[in-house]
Amino acid sequence: GAGVSQSPRYKVTKRGQDVALRCDPISGHVSLYWYRQALGQGPEFLTYFNYEAQQDKSGLPNDRFSAERPEGSISTLTIQRTEQRDSAMYRCASSLGGADTQYFGPGTRLTVL
Amino acid sequence: DAKTTQPPSMDCAEGRAANLPCNHSTISGNEYVYWYRQIHSQGPQYIIHGLKNNETNEMASLIITEDRKSSTLILPHATLRDTAVYYCIVRVGAGANNLFFGTGTRLTVIP
Repeated sequence: GAGVSQSPRYKVTKRGQDVALRCDPISGHVSLYWYRQALGQGPEFLTYFNYEAQQDKSGLPNDRFSAERPEGSISTLTIQRTEQRDSAMYRCASSLGGADTQYFGPGTRLTVL
Repeated sequence: DAKTTQPPSMDCAEGRAANLPCNHSTISGNEYVYWYRQIHSQGPQYIIHGLKNNETNEMASLIITEDRKSSTLILPHATLRDTAVYYCIVRVGAGANNLFFGTGTRLTVIP
C-alpha cells in the first residue's frame, strides 16, 4: 500500500517567510511524528500526535514552530518567520499505534536563504 | 530511552555477512532494540526489532545478548545496495514514542 508522503519535497524560502510542510500518513495509522534532520546527523524528534491530539511537543525548538493534525490524518508543520538555521530535512513518520513501528516518509528539504 | 553506542563506520565485502554491533548497557527490562537504516538521503527504513529473543526477518537477523546489554544486526549476504547508515535505537515498548537516532554506523559494502 501507499507509504507516508510529504509535500513539497523541496522548499526554498527567504528568511522571515512562513512555511507549511505537509505530511500524509499511512492510511489507518493513529500516530504521526515529525523529526528534523541536519546534514550528517540522525533525525531528531520534534512532536507527535495520536489521532488529532498533540501528545508531545517537547522537541519543537521554539515557538516559531507549530504543528497540527485537525482531522487525525494529514498533518502540517508550520515554521513562522523562518531563519537560516531552520534549513534542514524535515521528516514525518506514522505508526499504527503509539508503541508500534514507525514508517518514514521521504522528507521535505527546507532551505532558508 | 537508553542511549546506544555504535562504531562510526564499518566496511564489508559484497556477499559476506555484515555484523553491526551496538552497546546498550543501560537498557531497561521493557525497552526494545530497534534497527533502522538510511540509504543516502532517503527516509529511515525499519529493519527489525526485538526485546530479548533473537529475531529474523527477510532483511536481517538480530542477536541480543542474554544480559541485553548489547546486540548485533546481521545482514547475511551484504549487497552494494546495503551501503547505508544503520541506527540502533532503544525504545520503551509503550509510552515513550519518539525515536532517538544517535549518529549510527556507516556501513560501506565493497565490491
